[in-house]
Amino acid sequence: GAVVSQHPSRVICKSGTSVKIECRSLDFQATTMFWYRQFPKQSLMLMATSNEGSKATYEQGVEKDKFLINHASLTLSTLTVTSAHPEDSSFYICSAREFGGLWTEAFFGQGTRLTVV
Amino acid sequence: TQLLEQSPQFLSIQEGENLTVYCNSSSVFSSLQWYRQEPGEGPVLLVTVVTGGEVKKLKRLTFQFGDARKDSSLHITAAQPGDTGLYLCAGARGDSNYQLIWGAGTKLIIKP
Repeated sequence: GAVVSQHPSRVICKSGTSVKIECRSLDFQATTMFWYRQFPKQSLMLMATSNEGSKATYEQGVEKDKFLINHASLTLSTLTVTSAHPEDSSFYICSAREFGGLWTEAFFGQGTRLTVV
Repeated sequence: TQLLEQSPQFLSIQEGENLTVYCNSSSVFSSLQWYRQEPGEGPVLLVTVVTGGEVKKLKRLTFQFGDARKDSSLHITAAQPGDTGLYLCAGARGDSNYQLIWGAGTKLIIKP
């Protein structure tokens, strides 16, 4: 399967600072990447859909000014958590889809455990 | 709003037993994927089913897509401790957005 690399895997930051998470598709081009947030023992919650070269589409309730998404190339999307607060602590996961045919599959990064202290 | 109801949410059984996880919806999906996730890691794709009535086997795991492409099941035969993890189903919509509709997940624990 296709490989998606997410970095960093863990990050601890102080309240008020910003944190950038990178998501790279290593062996395919991903015109669309998805950013998820996952709480302990729960399923994935879609935050936003990132399209290369255009603005991201945010899900209802997700603050676009707080969670900045940039998809500058076909292999890289970044999520920046701005002015982080302890309630932003969570597991963030990106996925990328390689389009083709009538169906598509999503390949996921390893996830980033963010802890805001 | 499309929903994908996954059940059970939690299952703890002894090694060697069989189990089935279900994902049901009132909506039709163009495809349905099953993922397995370990703690602290991203989900890993197990299988994609596309055709109504399709059955796919992956060693001791059997995946089935309903005839109407509204539901799917995952059956594990002779479960082993290594099968422990969070299993997630996700249905793909057929529109251009290609978003996935996620089930709530099934936390599976196989006791030795």
